[in-house]
Amino acid sequence: DSGVTQTPKHLITATGQRVTLRCSPRSGDLSVYWYQQSLDQGLQFLIQYYNGEERAKGNILERFSAQQFPDLHSELNLSSLELGDSALYFCASSQGGGPTQYFGPGTRLTVL
Amino acid sequence: EDKVVQSPLSLVVHEGDTVTLNCSYEVTNFRSLLWYKQEKKAPTFLFMLTSSGIEKKSGRLSSILDKKELFSILNITATQTGDSAIYLCAVEGGHTGNQFYFGTGTSLTVIP
Repeated sequence: DSGVTQTPKHLITATGQRVTLRCSPRSGDLSVYWYQQSLDQGLQFLIQYYNGEERAKGNILERFSAQQFPDLHSELNLSSLELGDSALYFCASSQGGGPTQYFGPGTRLTVL
Repeated sequence: EDKVVQSPLSLVVHEGDTVTLNCSYEVTNFRSLLWYKQEKKAPTFLFMLTSSGIEKKSGRLSSILDKKELFSILNITATQTGDSAIYLCAVEGGHTGNQFYFGTGTSLTVIP
């Protein structure tokens, strides 16, 4: 157990809908990262927050947005969902923004 | 385009064998290279490498980085069935210096 928690574990929804994924980092970690892992594309870095501020952006679609709250938990919002958004979404955290990241168990999103 | 390529894609060995996994990269503003092990769920951190030629070791696993030739290897000696997993290589860098690029992984299966 890495100490990073993610909810929900599984999410099944329909195309066009909007969902929110939640992540709580390890105690003391200031950075949160979001990743998408699909079968055909591997792990894709989406976005990083550090102490509430956006720090780095990867391949995040405009339909997706994220934020990190004062208590350091983070949410990833996915809207206008498409079938291709079905994937495992991981959150990871690190101390101080360093590259060594600890991954949560992931949220499996299925879009029907 | 920044990219990380791992080889082989898949490997099947017998217990006790030694394996070498490869990771080559072309990433601007390289900062660090990381190895992760992914079993059924979340990736777990193995090593972080920033300097060429310095071997990192943890039990039967070791890794080294060559920044001149832009690659890293992960060695596992005396493999055990518990080593069966997908091994992921990630590079921190990119135009902002703090994006993460993952390879598609090497799937290792260790047969008793």
